[in-house]
Order: sequence, then C-alpha cells, then structure tokens
Amino acid sequence: RKEVEQDPGPFNVPEGATVAFNCTYSNSASQSFFWYRQDCRKEPKLLMSVYSSGNEDGRFTAQLNRASQYISLLIRDSKLSDSATYLCVVTYYNTDKLIFGTGTRLQVFP
Amino acid sequence: ETGVTQSPTHLIKTRGQQVTLRCSSQSGHNTVSWYQQALGQGPQFIFQYYREEENGRGNFPPRFSGLQFPNYSSELNVNALELDDSALYLCASSSRGTYNEQFFGPGTRLTVL
Repeated sequence: RKEVEQDPGPFNVPEGATVAFNCTYSNSASQSFFWYRQDCRKEPKLLMSVYSSGNEDGRFTAQLNRASQYISLLIRDSKLSDSATYLCVVTYYNTDKLIFGTGTRLQVFP
Repeated sequence: ETGVTQSPTHLIKTRGQQVTLRCSSQSGHNTVSWYQQALGQGPQFIFQYYREEENGRGNFPPRFSGLQFPNYSSELNVNALELDDSALYLCASSSRGTYNEQFFGPGTRLTVL
C-alpha cells in the first residue's frame, strides 16, 4: 500500500465549478501536510499547508482529519488557470523528507 | 532573491553510463533535497544534504550518490544508468528550521536509452 494515495483523475470541470480532491495517508506518525500544485512539465510549487483546524486561502480550502488519516482540497469557482496536477504531501516528525501522492489531474474547460 | 536552479535541463544517456546533475540552492537556504519523478508519478525522495553531509536517504540504491558544497549547491550522481532511471530529477532547497517548506528547481529531464 502506498504511503499517500490519491485519485489520479483526471477531473474535467467547467469554469465556475467547485471541485474536491481527497487524499489518504497510511502512517499515523505523519506530522505535516501540504498541497502542492504542478503544471505540465514544471516543478511542484507549494499551494498551501494543511492544518488540523482547516485553512482557507481565497478559493482554496484544505481540511485534515487525523482520525481518518484523510486530507482534502476544495477549489471553488474554478478558473482555467487552475488546470494542473495537485499533489498531496505528508512528512513525518523531525524529518524534511516530503512524501508525495501520485497527484490528481484537474482540467478546467470553458 | 535567486531561486533554485538546475543544470542541465535535458540529458540523454545510454544504459551503463554515468551522469552528474547540478543544483544551486535558493539564496539563504542551507539544505538541498533530491527527488526523482517518473512519468505519471509523484516525486520520490532520493536523499537530502545539510552542511555537506547526507541527512536522510530514500529507497534508492548506492549507485545514486550526492555531494553538497560549502556554498550549499549540490550534485546528484548516478552510476551504471538503467532504463528505469529515465525521469525528471528535482532539486529542492530549504532553510533548516523552516517548517519543511521546500522550494523546487525546474528539474533535469533524464532519458536513458
């Protein structure tokens, strides 16, 4: 079983739609959680950290459920520029090693 | 502020050859991590360097090795290349003490024929 699992998609949604991505992690010792965005043939870039209390950044909302070992990302009012692969990432306590899921591909169409 | 840079951008090698990839960390960062990203997969951690020493290693064989220099730049060396080594190699820099935020370079795309 992979340490971080994501639905690879693709998710094809129209502009303005709301879309949600889910991610599960297997190791309960996981400490920190992130969503990265990766455009085609580019490097991953940090989209947002994920906190137990949940956090919001504009149209993006991230949630963490430690009991279920589950992370989510909600994108509201999708834009064409949101088309990318979204990578779920966890780290363990006292380590800088990022553990990535395979990514979920989002395609927003006009 | 200078971002993370990597060279070369693309590389083609044949099986059995050796390759060296280079990374310059972002200004102010002292830690460099290397990741391998195969097509359709997420990046996989290879190893990390801090103060010129390896500081953690993923599930990669010893033919993957690295260095970090006093200016915090880094090299990734791969010996005896195999077809499965074809991937995007990403370097990420960070500052020790910053809570895991790593900034990635544009990557080197390696093709092994």
